[in-house]
Amino acid sequence: KQEVTQIPAALSVPEGENLVLNCSFTDSAIYNLQWFRQDPGKGLTSLLLIQSSQREQTSGRLNASLDKSSGRSTLYIAASQPGDSATYLCAVGTQAGTALIFGKGTTLSVSS
Amino acid sequence: GAVVSQHPSWVICKSGTSVKIECRSLDFQATTMFWYRQFPKQSLMLMATSNEGSKATYEQGVEKDKFLINHASLTLSTLTVTSAHPEDSSFYICSARAGRLNTEAFFGQGTRLTVV
Repeated sequence: KQEVTQIPAALSVPEGENLVLNCSFTDSAIYNLQWFRQDPGKGLTSLLLIQSSQREQTSGRLNASLDKSSGRSTLYIAASQPGDSATYLCAVGTQAGTALIFGKGTTLSVSS
Repeated sequence: GAVVSQHPSWVICKSGTSVKIECRSLDFQATTMFWYRQFPKQSLMLMATSNEGSKATYEQGVEKDKFLINHASLTLSTLTVTSAHPEDSSFYICSARAGRLNTEAFFGQGTRLTVV
C-alpha cells in the first residue's frame, strides 16, 4: 500500500530564505506526483504536477523535483515571502484515473 | 487551470438531519470525481470515487448508506451526509479530472460541516 510522508511537519523561516520541503513515498511505481498549497480552512491550490517520466517542474519561485527510484520529491521555494505561509501537501497518483494519495503536509510560516 | 466549484463552503446542521454538498466542474467535463474528508491537522482521506452515470466506489470503512454520492452529469457530483451526527463534523473536499488519464487533479474550495 502506497504511503506518503512529508518532513518536516512544520517549518518557520524568516522572509527571504530559500527552503526545501521533502516528500517520500513507499512505492516507486507512481504515475505522477502533485504539490498543493492549502490555506487554513480552504481548499487545495495545485502548484506543480510532475509526470513519472519527468525529473522536475518549475513555476516562478517554485521548483519541484522527482526521483522515482529513491521514492522522493522535493519542493524548493526561493526567496520566501510571508504570503507563502500555508500548508503544503504532496500527493502521488499511482495509476491512471485513480485518486491521489496525500501526505500530511508541511505547515510553513514565513515571518517578515 | 480548470475550476471546480464546491457549495456550500460551510454549513451547520442539527443532529439527525441530512446535508447535501455540491461539486461542479465549471469549464470542463469531469468523468471522474473524488470525495475526500480531512480532519484537523490530518491529511486528506479518500472517501469514494464517483464516475458519471455509475455507482460510486467507496473506500473501506466508509458507510455508503450514510454518505450518498450521485454523479448524474459530467459537471456535477453531490455528496449527501444522511442522519448527520457530531462525529461527521469535518472538512469535505471534492476533486475532479477531465478524463480517464491521470491528468492534473483540481479541487473544490471545501465544505466545513458542523453538526450540533
